[in-house]
Amino acid sequence: GENVEQHPSTLSVQEGDSAVIKCTYSDSASNYFPWYKQELGKGPQLIIDIRSNVGEKKDQRIAVTLNKTAKHFSLHITETQPEDSAVYFCAASISNYQLIWGAGTKLIIKP
Amino acid sequence: DAGITQSPRHKVTETGTPVTLRCHQTENHRYMYWYRQDPGHGLRLIHYSYGVKDTDKGEVSDGYSVSRSKTEDFLLTLESATSSQTSVYFCAIGQPDQPLHFGNGTRLTVT
Repeated sequence: GENVEQHPSTLSVQEGDSAVIKCTYSDSASNYFPWYKQELGKGPQLIIDIRSNVGEKKDQRIAVTLNKTAKHFSLHITETQPEDSAVYFCAASISNYQLIWGAGTKLIIKP
Repeated sequence: DAGITQSPRHKVTETGTPVTLRCHQTENHRYMYWYRQDPGHGLRLIHYSYGVKDTDKGEVSDGYSVSRSKTEDFLLTLESATSSQTSVYFCAIGQPDQPLHFGNGTRLTVT
């Protein structure tokens, strides 16, 4: 079946440094790629998304890049802050308009 | 935050008993989803609904049924709970290929 691989599973960075999380997907028909942030005890919350007709999208300290040829997309967080500590999930749409999710990355920001 | 309420928030039940989880939304949204979240698997779609009485299966639907008799309520039923159904269950609303809004989850333990 279709799948999304997400790496790394845990990422520890110094406060102020950048963090990069990478995902690869298998369905060449995927055209929507959201990223969600999940804090402890809460549901995931969308932080940024990108569609297949765009290669990069930015929102303040957060950016997402998409390489459709290689079927991978990445989340970039610059100038990390303590409140960025959370679990991050990537996802990709599949042909029946549902999402397949990565396994998640636990981001730890060290003071 | 989108008006999504899941109940109960926590439940412990015994193997073989029926369990119903409720998702209530105040957004009058057409699409509603039930996901389960397990370590190492991200989120996996159980069932979704695209209108009153209109539902369809997701990737992990075996052992689960759903009902949607009103726009605002989407019920998930485990007819005979098993230990493999111990998980955190999330309800979400949102158009396909658009950002989803999640509830805060129900933690279910089957002993």
